[in-house]
Amino acid sequence: DAKTTQPNSMESNEEEPVHLPCNHSTISGTDYIHWYRQLPSQGPEYVIHGLTSNVNNRMASLAIAEDRKSSTLILHRATLRDAAVYYCIPAGNMLTFGGGTRLMVKP
Amino acid sequence: NAGVTQTPKFQVLKTGQSMTLQCAQDMNHNSMYWYRQDPGMGLRLIYYSASEGTTDKGEVPNGYNVSRLNKREFSLRLESAAPSQTSVYFCASRNPGQLYGYTFGSGTRLTVV
Repeated sequence: DAKTTQPNSMESNEEEPVHLPCNHSTISGTDYIHWYRQLPSQGPEYVIHGLTSNVNNRMASLAIAEDRKSSTLILHRATLRDAAVYYCIPAGNMLTFGGGTRLMVKP
Repeated sequence: NAGVTQTPKFQVLKTGQSMTLQCAQDMNHNSMYWYRQDPGMGLRLIYYSASEGTTDKGEVPNGYNVSRLNKREFSLRLESAAPSQTSVYFCASRNPGQLYGYTFGSGTRLTVV
């Protein structure tokens, strides 16, 4: 399984953009890069995933490096409800969760 | 709302007791998963079922059994609960293939005393 490296924690101000980085230098060529987040006392929630091209959805954008060894989840305008642990997961047939990044959003 | 439903939401067991955690999904997903999450930690895969009729061990299967009852339901059984199994248990489902994300239930908080 691919190893990932994410910052333990990050802080952001409300309504500012947030860039959450992830290194996954051992990712296989066919694994998608998934991002999930977990709000306090809830199950993980799917955010976005992609293979090679940058991806956008209503929740976030995913920027994938050309060599696929890293990716960045972009929240365009952080809100207090975005405070959560964000997990970056290179996935084949199943998800393997690491420690994730705890995002704190300040009003 | 469509999604993954887990029951019960909370449970306290005495050491040595048995119980079954229930999970059902109404999204017609083929694959289902059981994870556990210890305090302050990430999720670890216990068992999964890639399709109806199949089950496989994950990272931490010891002390657990599973049953894929039908396409909708995937249960997790603790035959003889131990304090080390105190955790929050999450069920998830998805369709196979890398185009799809996973949908998680809201969890079962289990305490073994």
